[in-house]
Amino acid sequence: EGQLVESGGAVVRPGVSLRLSCAASGFTFDDHGMSWVRQAPGKGLEWVSGLNWNGDTTYYADSVKGRFTISRDNGKKFLYLQMDSLRVDDTAVYHCARGGRTTYCSGRTCLPYWYFDLWGRGTLVTVSS
Amino acid sequence: QSVLTQSPSVSGVPGQRVTISCTGSNSNIGAGYHVHWYQQLPGAAPKLLIYGNFHRPSGVPDRFSGSTSGTSASLAITGLQVEDEADYYCQSHDDSREVIFGGGTKLTVL
Repeated sequence: EGQLVESGGAVVRPGVSLRLSCAASGFTFDDHGMSWVRQAPGKGLEWVSGLNWNGDTTYYADSVKGRFTISRDNGKKFLYLQMDSLRVDDTAVYHCARGGRTTYCSGRTCLPYWYFDLWGRGTLVTVSS
Repeated sequence: QSVLTQSPSVSGVPGQRVTISCTGSNSNIGAGYHVHWYQQLPGAAPKLLIYGNFHRPSGVPDRFSGSTSGTSASLAITGLQVEDEADYYCQSHDDSREVIFGGGTKLTVL
């Protein structure tokens, strides 16, 4: 089935950096792309970033591009999110999720395909002055 | 403001059938990108409910079903149960964004 456990959330000031970690267990970690999805207090889900099985292809939401960096260590079965230049609107619970960009083909048409079939409970990041 | 539009809330009584809609556009659902649905129980992590428009992961009851039509998608829940009370989110891909979520629908079981 698998399990994802996030850590590293904290209360920080605007402009500082923070690194989140996600420990994976119970499944073959390097068989899967991985992602981070966040949820601001009382709000909906927002995809933040994702990467492929070996980390050499990464994707970012426009809201974090240039400030956040996603990475993974397949040997340790960890996913990371380095967050720099944090802003107040980055305040959210950050969920680690199993799932990356794949392709679905039907006939001669192939389309990007993302979904997340395993989630962690999340770690809270609060950015406040 | 979400690219995929969901009604903020829906309600039903036990045993009833309810549907949750997800309205997109020709740059996402209408372009053929698949829709996936998640259930988030209060205080819990989201859980994949439907993937690839209508496929159910192992362990998801067949009371839950997904469909698409044009630029919209729907999640139907039959035989509504008290434990179905949760937030439900649709998700897809867009021509200009890798991953998009709907704003979520809160299901209340009266």
